[in-house]
Amino acid sequence: NAGVTQTPKFQVLKTGQSMTLQCAQDMNHNSMYWYRQDPGMGLRLIYYSASEGTTDKGEVPNGYNVSRLNKREFSLRLESAAPSQTSVYFCASSDGGDAGNTIYFGEGSWLTVV
Amino acid sequence: LAKTTQPISMDSYEGQEVNITCSHNNIATNDYITWYQQFPSQGPRFIIQGYKTKVTNEVASLFIPADRKSSTLSLPRVSLSDTAVYYCLVGYNNAGNMLTFGGGTRLMVKP
Repeated sequence: NAGVTQTPKFQVLKTGQSMTLQCAQDMNHNSMYWYRQDPGMGLRLIYYSASEGTTDKGEVPNGYNVSRLNKREFSLRLESAAPSQTSVYFCASSDGGDAGNTIYFGEGSWLTVV
Repeated sequence: LAKTTQPISMDSYEGQEVNITCSHNNIATNDYITWYQQFPSQGPRFIIQGYKTKVTNEVASLFIPADRKSSTLSLPRVSLSDTAVYYCLVGYNNAGNMLTFGGGTRLMVKP
């Protein structure tokens, strides 16, 4: 049972560089999410995708783009990384419908922008 | 989406029962209440979910009063390994709804 898989686990970027965080889920879930968590803080929603082919902004979308490549995969791209984007990024998925709001998280991607 | 309010932190001792309350005054009719646990350097994981009254599983109990404007997560006989951050999430994950978390409650269990 892989669940939600994120890559890379760790990444160091220089200011202005770009990179893409990859996420895949094998639970056939419709909805997928990207959250960021700064040290000692709670989770903040960056973008989400309610279903394949749709994406919507969350609480803190500035500086990020996303792609829902197919039902399994949801990637997060930083076009020009800034030190303020140093954080832990969590991808998550849920099956929606009558399942309330049970969300399954990946293990996180630690990103440092210097 | 219902905004949630939880205590920032709580301390307890091993073997005690811990109750963490979450306020969600503007909860909607279709909203579920779900609690998550997060250990350092890990993603949050599901603990328990409810809609009304009381729900119990092997890990915790969830108490929801009739007006559903608050909920209480109850952890029986905590151990050191229960030290974590606990998040209350209120919402309904049908298509189009985004799910946002509050600040969470940092529980410290002491020996």
